[in-house]
Amino acid sequence: AQKVTQAQTEISVVEKEDVTLDCVYETRDTTYYLFWYKQPPSGELVFLIRRNSFDEQNEISGRYSWNFQKSTSSFNFTITASQVVDSAVYFCALSEESNTGKLIFGQGTTLQVKP
Amino acid sequence: ETGVTQTPRHLVMGMTNKKSLKCEQHLGHNAMYWYKQSAKKPLELMFVYNFKEQTENNSVPSRFSPECPNSSHLFLHLHTLQPEDSALYLCASSQLSPDSYRNTIYFGEGSWLTVV
Repeated sequence: AQKVTQAQTEISVVEKEDVTLDCVYETRDTTYYLFWYKQPPSGELVFLIRRNSFDEQNEISGRYSWNFQKSTSSFNFTITASQVVDSAVYFCALSEESNTGKLIFGQGTTLQVKP
Repeated sequence: ETGVTQTPRHLVMGMTNKKSLKCEQHLGHNAMYWYKQSAKKPLELMFVYNFKEQTENNSVPSRFSPECPNSSHLFLHLHTLQPEDSALYLCASSQLSPDSYRNTIYFGEGSWLTVV
């Protein structure tokens, strides 16, 4: 069965702190795709990153970085030097080779960055 | 500006009303989706359209009726809804291709629906 777990429901940090959002997934497919989306209060889901299961290279984009560990089925997201504008709900999601049109989402982590 | 636009952004309707949500994508994609986000459940897929044909109906009640007249437009027709149907309805699109690693799903801003 496919499943995405974001165990952290809410995280609160002070501006400039680093914060890591955890994501653990379950899938039977050998080829799959992992995503992170950001949802600000306006509601739109903003695409942040896509990672293919055959590419375990970690990625950094500005203050954002992602750590993909196939051995532990985790795809964690770190924000360095957090800012108030980072406050949002963050979703981790999975799609499988057998059905790439369907995203399976975690419950989401609400991040609050205080000034 | 988002490549997927949804109207209306907010909708309040009675249980006996009939209304429609509209979605348009400007990304040249061939697949469109409806997702539902309610307070007590994770985001869940409702419908998938691939080249205007419905390829997935995720056990959605018949009071929700999708329509996809072309690959750029998607509607969700609503009738005799229940208060528990109040949620954020998100439209999305992607380019489904044999190179499935290219398939990233892009979302609109959503339509906030309240059923009274």
